[in-house]
Amino acid sequence: AQSVSQHNHHVILSEAASLELGCNYSYGGTVNLFWYVQYPGQHLQLLLKYFSGDPLVKGIKGFEAEFIKSKFSFNLRKPSVQWSDTAEYFCAVNAENYGQNFVFGPGTRLSVLP
Amino acid sequence: EAQVTQNPRYLITVTGKKLTVTCSQNMNHEYMSWYRQDPGLGLRQIYYSMNVEVTDKGDVPEGYKVSRKEKRNFPLILESPSPNQTSLYFCASSPQGQALTDTQYFGPGTRLTVL
Repeated sequence: AQSVSQHNHHVILSEAASLELGCNYSYGGTVNLFWYVQYPGQHLQLLLKYFSGDPLVKGIKGFEAEFIKSKFSFNLRKPSVQWSDTAEYFCAVNAENYGQNFVFGPGTRLSVLP
Repeated sequence: EAQVTQNPRYLITVTGKKLTVTCSQNMNHEYMSWYRQDPGLGLRQIYYSMNVEVTDKGDVPEGYKVSRKEKRNFPLILESPSPNQTSLYFCASSPQGQALTDTQYFGPGTRLTVL
């Protein structure tokens, strides 16, 4: 079965610090990869996604992620976080031979101190 | 406004009392899905539907039913709720049933407590 792990349960940073959130998945075939974010009191929304092409993908609000196939990883990065980035971040995977279902990681809570 | 709506937003019920959580989208999306979110486990997919009258099990379907009689609606039914179904539930939709790369649009969530 597919599984997704996220390295950190809770990350606390000061504003302007750099961010990297880890995501690893277990499936070895063709995968589609997503990062979703849930700001306090808001709906989950897409930050970015990868399904083919350049393994470095850029998303909204200055976020980017790099797909490293050999490491089964899709880490999320931002060079300089802001207080408004405080949220919960979820990595998600769909493996194309597993049908139309999606597997989410357990989430990483990011707290940015002003 | 394009959106996914869920009702109710909060529900407290007792073991064994059948309930339905409704989900509706106004974007003419083909794909709809239900997830539950539990601390430390993230979102787990319960059921999904690629189009009208087409539904399939996700990773945690036990104790749940769904139906997709119309494109816009995808209700989640708990025939006999149990305390281990206490959770935060999200409905989501995406434009194409077969497109695995589509963005999913999420509803606001329904917090269910089963006593």
